[in-house]
Amino acid sequence: AQRVTQPEKLLSVFKGAPVELKCNYSYSGSPELFWYVQYSRQRLQLLLRHISRESIKGFTADLNKGETSFHLKKPFAQEEDSAMYYCALSGSSNTGKLIFGQGTTLQVKP
Amino acid sequence: KAGVTQTPRYLIKTRGQQVTLSCSPISGHRSVSWYQQTPGQGLQFLFEYFSETQRNKGNFPGRFSGRQFSNSRSEMNVSTLELGDSALYLCASSFPGTYNEQFFGPGTRLTVL
Repeated sequence: AQRVTQPEKLLSVFKGAPVELKCNYSYSGSPELFWYVQYSRQRLQLLLRHISRESIKGFTADLNKGETSFHLKKPFAQEEDSAMYYCALSGSSNTGKLIFGQGTTLQVKP
Repeated sequence: KAGVTQTPRYLIKTRGQQVTLSCSPISGHRSVSWYQQTPGQGLQFLFEYFSETQRNKGNFPGRFSGRQFSNSRSEMNVSTLELGDSALYLCASSFPGTYNEQFFGPGTRLTVL
């Protein structure tokens, strides 16, 4: 079964502290993994995808196929990073189907 | 470029009624996906349309249906509404070849009484 698990509903850190949002997945083939973010009163938007291997707003995520994980990391959290973060999986690049985790609220305290 | 738009933004219906939600994708985007978001189940995929054809379908009963028009605008319909259908319905569009880089609309908040 295809599944995405984000074990933490809420992650609270102080400004400047490192952040790691956990994401584990279950998929039998080669998935595409994504992180989407929703800031307060804004739409859900793509943050990054594992294929790109890029850093966006200081965030990075590495796909670990052995551990079936795709954790999102940032070395120094900023208050503007406070948002809801969703990890998502797609089993194919040719369809618009994303399987989302339950989301983690990141709260960065001053 | 204008973003994905959804109408109406809010709807209140009673059990047994039916409802139609509309989604206008970003210009040039031909794929439209629909999701249901609830506090208990999170974001769940309903279906996806490309070039007026349903390409993929989630695990929802037949009461949930959709369609796409030649201008890529999409509608979803829920018949015989149940209390559990109360949710935020999101649509997302994507450009050909980047189907998982989805751009989301603001959602339609459906309340079933």
